[in-house]
Amino acid sequence: VQVDQSGAEVKRPGTTVKISCKISGDTFSDFFIHWVRHAPGKGLHWMGLVDPEDGEVRYAEKVQARLTITADMSVDTVYMEVNSLRSEDTALYYCAAERRRGAPEYYFDFWGQGTLVTVSS
Amino acid sequence: QSALTQPASVSGSPGQSLTISCTGTSSDIGDYIFVSWYQQHPGKAPKFIIYDVTNRPSGVSNRFSGSKSGNTASLTISGLRAEDEAIYFCSSYRRSTAQVVFGGGTKLTVL
Repeated sequence: VQVDQSGAEVKRPGTTVKISCKISGDTFSDFFIHWVRHAPGKGLHWMGLVDPEDGEVRYAEKVQARLTITADMSVDTVYMEVNSLRSEDTALYYCAAERRRGAPEYYFDFWGQGTLVTVSS
Repeated sequence: QSALTQPASVSGSPGQSLTISCTGTSSDIGDYIFVSWYQQHPGKAPKFIIYDVTNRPSGVSNRFSGSKSGNTASLTISGLRAEDEAIYFCSSYRRSTAQVVFGGGTKLTVL
């Protein structure tokens, strides 16, 4: 299974970033797709997940007001959009695929390389 | 700042066994079996190495083993090799927030 993320982004505060994550090598709907943030000098933080089969999403409470995760089964790709960007959103954003074993168990079987988002004026 | 507490670094010599701890609370590690571990080499994507506290995904070396006691999970690496030098981090589901939390990561150095 390969998890391929889009390239680095540089954004101004207050704008929106949308990054993508393409799954290949196995059936897209066999996975839950998660997003995890790693800010400089801080630990990992789970942001949310999407079930590509029905589009159901779950978001971390801290970011849910500014976060949208969607799945496009026609291209086996998940998108994460963060709006109203702040300098604190500067981080490496990982996409991670959890193989479906029933309900999500928040295990991350396969990870992408990460997408660096820099928010700076 | 991480929800789960790990030592910042550990070190060991080739061939030795080494254990990395991950301490949480009764709302996460102490409450669930949904504890996992990941290995990350510099510049690489993390690799899934332990789930359900003790289980190894297919293809992961049996030199890696997991355990839990109370609110603390542990990862043990036996027969330490140079290629084990990496950052290891833990995660657990937390009931109170209905989301997963992570440890800050432990840098393993093979001397």
